[in-house]
Amino acid sequence: DAGVTQSPTHLIKTRGQHVTLRCSPISGHKSVSWYQQVLGQGPQFIFQYYEKEERGRGNFPDRFSARQFPNYSSELNVNALLLGDSALYLCASSQQGQSYNEQFFGPGTRLTVL
Amino acid sequence: GENVEQHPSTLSVQEGDSAVIKCTYSDSASNYFPWYKQELGKRPQLIIDIRSNVGEKKDQRIAVTLNKTAKHFSLHITETQPEDSAVYFCAASTHYQLIWGAGTKLIIKP
Repeated sequence: DAGVTQSPTHLIKTRGQHVTLRCSPISGHKSVSWYQQVLGQGPQFIFQYYEKEERGRGNFPDRFSARQFPNYSSELNVNALLLGDSALYLCASSQQGQSYNEQFFGPGTRLTVL
Repeated sequence: GENVEQHPSTLSVQEGDSAVIKCTYSDSASNYFPWYKQELGKRPQLIIDIRSNVGEKKDQRIAVTLNKTAKHFSLHITETQPEDSAVYFCAASTHYQLIWGAGTKLIIKP
């Protein structure tokens, strides 16, 4: 059974551009969460989606948005990129949406903003 | 909102000795406390977790303790081995958010 997958693995953009990151959860998992991990820091929570609905949102500007599709895959969109958006973006899936469910992480997308 | 503090930021121990990493959290509603290990360039991997109705949990060389009153939880690794070298993160989960500590770089000296 495949784990959580993310695409692309690496991405280079310039300031002001838009980016879309994709995540496919483990089969049977209905919840997807997104995290931003800046080098040398712990992951920061961005969003959680469960059954296509946003369940939680972290302290990120409106330039960040996400959605979950009927097959439970998810996209994270970031508009008007800033240099500070350079980070590893991690997606995690869990079976249900409760806060106590174990989360399984994908390999991440490394975003570099120049 | 929830805030998680983790100490120390770097921990160096002799191979075979024990390592202890401590975290505190602020939101009494937090009910799930996982610990993740992250090797350089890799994804975080869950190594152990504990729920708020349990005070201690052990899995071979790894144990976690939780003090809900003091809002403290700790990771204990015994008989450390070279492959234990990594960055360890604690986290606290509440209201659909998993809030992470800043990480502890564990160095195992031969």
